[in-house]
Amino acid sequence: EIVLTQSPGTLSLSQGERATLSCRASQSVSSRYLAWYQQKAGQAPRLLIYGASSRATGIPDRFSGSGSGTDFTLTISRLEPDDFAVYYCQQYGSSPYTFGQGTYLEIK
Amino acid sequence: QVQLQQWGAGLLRPSETLSLTCGVYGGSFSFFYWIWIRQPPGKGLEWIGEINHSGSTSYNPSLKSRVTISVDTSKDQFSLRLSSVTAADTAVYYCVRGLAAAGSGTWFDPWGQGTLVTVSS
Repeated sequence: EIVLTQSPGTLSLSQGERATLSCRASQSVSSRYLAWYQQKAGQAPRLLIYGASSRATGIPDRFSGSGSGTDFTLTISRLEPDDFAVYYCQQYGSSPYTFGQGTYLEIK
Repeated sequence: QVQLQQWGAGLLRPSETLSLTCGVYGGSFSFFYWIWIRQPPGKGLEWIGEINHSGSTSYNPSLKSRVTISVDTSKDQFSLRLSSVTAADTAVYYCVRGLAAAGSGTWFDPWGQGTLVTVSS
């Protein structure tokens, strides 16, 4: 089973700043099969990124994903109030498909 | 735009069987995977398993002995059964559509609204 470790656990930033979230895998994720999700309190997660860097339908271009192998990054270029939430990475290169433990992005 | 709506019992006693169903509305049921994922209160996400429209399944080894996912293509529905539940199975359960590229596993979009299932004596 591939273990995903996200860092930092909590990220405190202000509106307009740039956020960089990390996801590290315990072994290489084949073919960049990595996705990112956003979850707000009391809501289901929402797909942001798949294939490590492809934005899902309707996701604004301030969200971008990058990386390969064992190291992946989600970047939010200019934080808006709606972006403060928990973010999860997920690998789908190897079953069982696994998630990171999440990064909580909070308003500073 | 496809929407998933789920239903089932929210309170169970230990040793009972969890049963949830998810209806798929507004989109094709074929050519996708249909997934169950759970999230214990205040914790992270766990993939339970998946099924495709032809009934082929894959389960998380940690739950495989207790899980059954089935599909009813005549109603565009799929279901989850988890037997012998304990307090550790208390979680929000989500039904999800799985998308896949050739040769890949699945990523998840969209998600159902979630059902909180509590196991308590």
